[in-house]
Amino acid sequence: DAGITQSPRYKITETGRQVTLMCHQTWSHSYMFWYRQDLGHGLRLIYYSAAADITDKGEVPDGYVVSRSKTENFPLTLESATRSQTSVYFCASSERSPEAFFGQGTRLTVV
Amino acid sequence: AQSVTQLGSHVSVSEGALVLLRCNYSSSVPPYLFWYVQYPNQGLQLLLKYTSAATLVKGINGFEAEFKKSETSFHLTKPSAHMSDAAEYFCAVSRFDQGGKLIFGQGTELSVKP
Repeated sequence: DAGITQSPRYKITETGRQVTLMCHQTWSHSYMFWYRQDLGHGLRLIYYSAAADITDKGEVPDGYVVSRSKTENFPLTLESATRSQTSVYFCASSERSPEAFFGQGTRLTVV
Repeated sequence: AQSVTQLGSHVSVSEGALVLLRCNYSSSVPPYLFWYVQYPNQGLQLLLKYTSAATLVKGINGFEAEFKKSETSFHLTKPSAHMSDAAEYFCAVSRFDQGGKLIFGQGTELSVKP
């Protein structure tokens, strides 16, 4: 299917474990983004990528790692999950226009 | 730097009443402005966008917003609320040279009473 897909949709993990959230887009968009959504904060940018092998930090990057070896994939890894990383994570993509297209989100719970 | 402030975390209106969701922005360069809607357990859907063309922007589902540079505002309106409009609404700002990198407001939850 065309579009942007995130997996898994729901994930429960334990404190200290490594977890990877996947994001795949079929449009060959140059830009990809990871946001986290928390009550009272809206969406905050974690990391973004302007092209394959080019990534940069956003507003809240601590505790997260990203990579982008292929244009269509942009995985987000929590190296050692903490309870404060319990959140809903959204991946988005865009071309050079400012409009971004969002995935359905991954609800992550760290216990 | 850019920022967005949405006034009111929760707005409640009656069905058929005017919807007004407030958004003020700060930007050191001419901004691009957006309103997104989020229904429960779903991703964000673009309602409308301002990209330096007409200052009155019409979007989907009967929503519109007006860019007012002098007031640094981009308020979202709909003349008559429908039950299906109940959702979370986010205002966002970006720069012309940063693709879809968005700075979001805190969100406004819209409730519609029958």
